[in-house]
Amino acid sequence: SQQGEEDPQALSIQEGENATMNCSYKTSINNLQWYRQNSGRGLVHLILIRSNEREKHSGRLRVTLDTSKKSSSLLITASRAADTASYFCATLPGSARQLTFGSGTQLTVLP
Amino acid sequence: GAGVSQSPSNKVTEKGKDVELRCDPISGHTALYWYRQRLGQGLEFLIYFQGNSAPDKSGLPSDRFSAERTGESVSTLTIQRTQQEDSAVYLCASSSPTGITYNEQFFGPGTRLTVL
Repeated sequence: SQQGEEDPQALSIQEGENATMNCSYKTSINNLQWYRQNSGRGLVHLILIRSNEREKHSGRLRVTLDTSKKSSSLLITASRAADTASYFCATLPGSARQLTFGSGTQLTVLP
Repeated sequence: GAGVSQSPSNKVTEKGKDVELRCDPISGHTALYWYRQRLGQGLEFLIYFQGNSAPDKSGLPSDRFSAERTGESVSTLTIQRTQQEDSAVYLCASSSPTGITYNEQFFGPGTRLTVL
């Protein structure tokens, strides 16, 4: 079964608005990562947050992690049409060596 | 190289034929992963190589799937007697583990496999 599940499955917003995507997981983790995918091809790593961190920023991205609720959120501020893509969270369970990906959120930013 | 490369980018084959997909990881990355992604879905882990350790094959869906890796370089994923349900994008990723905490994975562009 999927370790990470994103919510919502699809999100459509206007350019300039903020986009928030959520991820829930089931087991304890070493770290949680967010990836972006354009056009169903290779994924691009966006940001990694370790289990002992609560918040992390990278440019227009802000990630939070709540290990007590086993959830994370990705906030993209001042969205642009070029942000249109699928966004996946991926968890590294404590004892595992490979990431487990969720099913993704399809974000559409309308110009 | 500059990034993870995969070949071919697209492969169309007939049901029952064997296919071989190739992945060239980033130089120096000891960890290599194969994933499968069906249309509109998330990534499904297939197999993981780490240095000279025995690969983790726990994600391979059937014995028709196998993979090899030469040292810490090229890997090939082989699918024998392909079925239509094997149609998907096959993604390869590599990473450079730091101790027991694994860093981000760097993905190749994928191979889109279509089984007719």
